[in-house]
Amino acid sequence: DTGVSQNPRHKITKRGQNVTFRCDPISEHNRLYWYRQTLGQGPEFLTYFQNEAQLEKSRLLSDRFSAERPKGSFSTLEIQRTEQGDSAMYLCASSSLGGGQGMIEETQYFGPGTRLLVL
Amino acid sequence: QKEVEQNSGPLSVPEGAIASLNCTYSDRGSQSFFWYRQYSGKSPELIMSIYSNGDKEDGRFTAQLNKASQYVSLLIRDSQPSDSATYLCAVTSQAAGNKLTFGGGTRVLVKP
Repeated sequence: DTGVSQNPRHKITKRGQNVTFRCDPISEHNRLYWYRQTLGQGPEFLTYFQNEAQLEKSRLLSDRFSAERPKGSFSTLEIQRTEQGDSAMYLCASSSLGGGQGMIEETQYFGPGTRLLVL
Repeated sequence: QKEVEQNSGPLSVPEGAIASLNCTYSDRGSQSFFWYRQYSGKSPELIMSIYSNGDKEDGRFTAQLNKASQYVSLLIRDSQPSDSATYLCAVTSQAAGNKLTFGGGTRVLVKP
């Protein structure tokens, strides 16, 4: 399977605990995005990387959230001191720029998501 | 005002009929437009992308873009029960780093 993968698929944690999610993008995709989706809403942008550089972080993202993409391949999203409001589906998407594809025609492909429940 | 707006539905459509979904956006700098389908509990799956004014057809799906009026629509012809899902409209702009800005989605129910 060469699609975007995410682990774990489900996570239940107690309030105050730290959690870490992993995303493996499509091979050779240089852009990686994190989104969060709550029930009945569309996904909301959190942050994105081009290769290993984190280029943008949403102003809605609290300091408890941090993301890394150390070697420009997989990425991790950590939430510290989880709160019940963090319960959501965390989605990762990857895309490729260059190689004949113009900046405007960038298509993002989503992984299966990690569903987080904070008790 | 939300940046991307969709009617939440549900849009109930008889099997075999045409489902028509609309989406409006507020950022005139938006350049790329996408329709994703999302089944309950699953992640979004790309159906169509459109970048220039006019129609784009792919199988039973047709996307229509009108940048002057700032709307994009999706038509689903010969609707099937398997088309029952939430359809998400998303837009991007280079100025905003190409991140996707989503609407809240339209739930479509195709009744046999």
